[in-house]
Amino acid sequence: ETGVTQSPTHLIKTRGQQVTLRCSSQSGHNTVSWYQQALGQGPQFIFQYYREEENGRGNFPPRFSGLQFPNYSSELNVNALELDDSALYLCASSPGTGSTGELFFGEGSRLTVL
Amino acid sequence: DAKTTQPNSMESNEEEPVHLPCNHSTISGTDYIHWYRQLPSQGPEYVIHGLTSNVNNRMASLAIAEDRKSSTLILHRATLRDAAVYYCILRDWRAPGGSQGNLIFGKGTKLSVKP
Repeated sequence: ETGVTQSPTHLIKTRGQQVTLRCSSQSGHNTVSWYQQALGQGPQFIFQYYREEENGRGNFPPRFSGLQFPNYSSELNVNALELDDSALYLCASSPGTGSTGELFFGEGSRLTVL
Repeated sequence: DAKTTQPNSMESNEEEPVHLPCNHSTISGTDYIHWYRQLPSQGPEYVIHGLTSNVNNRMASLAIAEDRKSSTLILHRATLRDAAVYYCILRDWRAPGGSQGNLIFGKGTKLSVKP
């Protein structure tokens, strides 16, 4: 069983640029959520995708957007990058059924904005 | 989701038991108690969850107070690999589909394990 994989693992961008991060969910999981983790903080929920539709969102501006594809993989796009966007971006997948809420996380993509 | 309170840090010796406390005085009757841990340079990893009764799995045990206002994650024999940040999180089992993936993380407890 393949776990959650994310790419790239590290990247550096400059302020104002755009970035796309990718996530392959665990086999059989149809729900993907994205988190931002600043240094020394716990992860913060950005949004969730279920069957290619965004169906839950945290307190993040519209320049944070995403996609989910028919194979349930997902992308996180961030436009007009700001210095504060520097963080570890985590993707998590879940079966989407049941309510126990166990999420399976990838190792994250570390974004540095200069 | 209700809020949890954890100590910022704890220390343990290798091969000794570790008890990680979590207070959740405003827990509702429909909140599950979840624990995740995050090893250095990795994403969070599910550890255990429970509702009312104590729970055991291969990684840890979860002891839940009778009034459910606190819980304790128990690592029976700490190893160096258990050094991580441990997060206690409440999840409402009635959460609508759109918030299934929304876990509210605090800062957690940073566990250090000494050889």
